[in-house]
Amino acid sequence: GENVEQHPSTLSVQEGDSAVIKCTYSDSASNYFPWYKQELGKRPQLIIDIRSNVGEKKDQRIAVTLNKTAKHFSLHITETQPEDSAVYFCAASRGNNRLAFGKGNQVVVIP
Amino acid sequence: DTAVSQTPKYLVTQMGNDKSIKCEQNLGHDTMYWYKQDSKKFLKIMFSYNNKELIINETVPNRFSPKSPDKAHLNLHINSLELGDSAVYFCASSHHPGTGGAEQYFGPGTRLTVT
Repeated sequence: GENVEQHPSTLSVQEGDSAVIKCTYSDSASNYFPWYKQELGKRPQLIIDIRSNVGEKKDQRIAVTLNKTAKHFSLHITETQPEDSAVYFCAASRGNNRLAFGKGNQVVVIP
Repeated sequence: DTAVSQTPKYLVTQMGNDKSIKCEQNLGHDTMYWYKQDSKKFLKIMFSYNNKELIINETVPNRFSPKSPDKAHLNLHINSLELGDSAVYFCASSHHPGTGGAEQYFGPGTRLTVT
């Protein structure tokens, strides 16, 4: 089955700087790549997703890039703010019910 | 106007007991899921239903039995609880992902503690 690796496991950034989280996946048939944000004690929530026919997608301060050849995708957060502090999960799927999640990345934004 | 709700939010019980967690969604979705999040925050799919039909049944002990009485509900019953079952259990729902994937909406989670 699909195996998703997420790096780094913890990332500390100064407020206003950018944060980048990278994920790799193993199944070349995967075509759907969402990112979920989970604040402490809360539920995971989708922040952005990308499909395999697109190389990059942006939504305000958040962007995701996809490299299908290398089988990796990245989340970019610009102008980080304290409310960006959370655990971020990448995931990959063949577009069916089965979403394989990475192990999560703790982002800490230092004011 | 809660989208995906779960009850109870917290569940503390002793080893060997049987317990249930209920999930309901009012989004009109026809696909529902159960995930387990362990102490290291790892999110792992347990079950998935499309239109009340079981689609995914991961390598979960058969002490765990999901039941979907209708498209809006997916309950999880756990028999003979063990210490290792302690975790946060999330219910989620989505439109049928088809072949293109679909956003999953998560419930607030049920923190299960087995003593």
